[in-house]
Amino acid sequence: QKEVEQDPGPLSVPEGAIVSLNCTYSNSAFQYFMWYRQYSRKGPELLMYTYSSGNKEDGRFTAQVDKSSKYISLFIRDSQPSDSATYLCAMRGGNQFYFGTGTSLTVIP
Amino acid sequence: AAGVIQSPRHLIKEKRETATLKCYPIPRHDTVYWYQQGPGQDPQFLISFYEKMQSDKGSIPDRFSAQQFSDYHSELNMSSLELGDSALYFCASSQYNEQFFGPGTRLTVL
Repeated sequence: QKEVEQDPGPLSVPEGAIVSLNCTYSNSAFQYFMWYRQYSRKGPELLMYTYSSGNKEDGRFTAQVDKSSKYISLFIRDSQPSDSATYLCAMRGGNQFYFGTGTSLTVIP
Repeated sequence: AAGVIQSPRHLIKEKRETATLKCYPIPRHDTVYWYQQGPGQDPQFLISFYEKMQSDKGSIPDRFSAQQFSDYHSELNMSSLELGDSALYFCASSQYNEQFFGPGTRLTVL
């Protein structure tokens, strides 16, 4: 079993929809949680970084962490075609970062 | 803002050849990571360096080696290349707990 589980999708939504992306993890020692966006053939781009349980908002993006359930989410409001990409969750345990497999998102105009 | 720089961006090699990938981390970042990403896969951790010393080792084949130099740039050396080594290779750097990726080197082994 992987340390981090993420539904690979693909996920297809109409423009303007709210998107919910989720990851679960098994290691309670994970303290730092990140969401990356990766366009095809490009490097992952850090979108959000959170430490504590709760919500963190940045523009149309909201990251949510529930440490008691070992569950993190990324919400995208008013989704745009430019949001079409693969979204990877990642968490830090010790000196390593552990990634989900990524969820492929397509926003249809 | 400065980002992680990787070179070359694309590399084509034949089986059994050797390849060297270079990474220039963000200034003042103390940790460098190397990842391999196959099509449709998440990045697989290979190796990391903290302040120029190897700190962690992941699923890096014995045919691969890496080092970090006094100017903090890092190189991933890959020998006896196999077809299965074709992938995107990312370098990432971090200071504290945020990790930033470079644009990657696409290696194709023919």
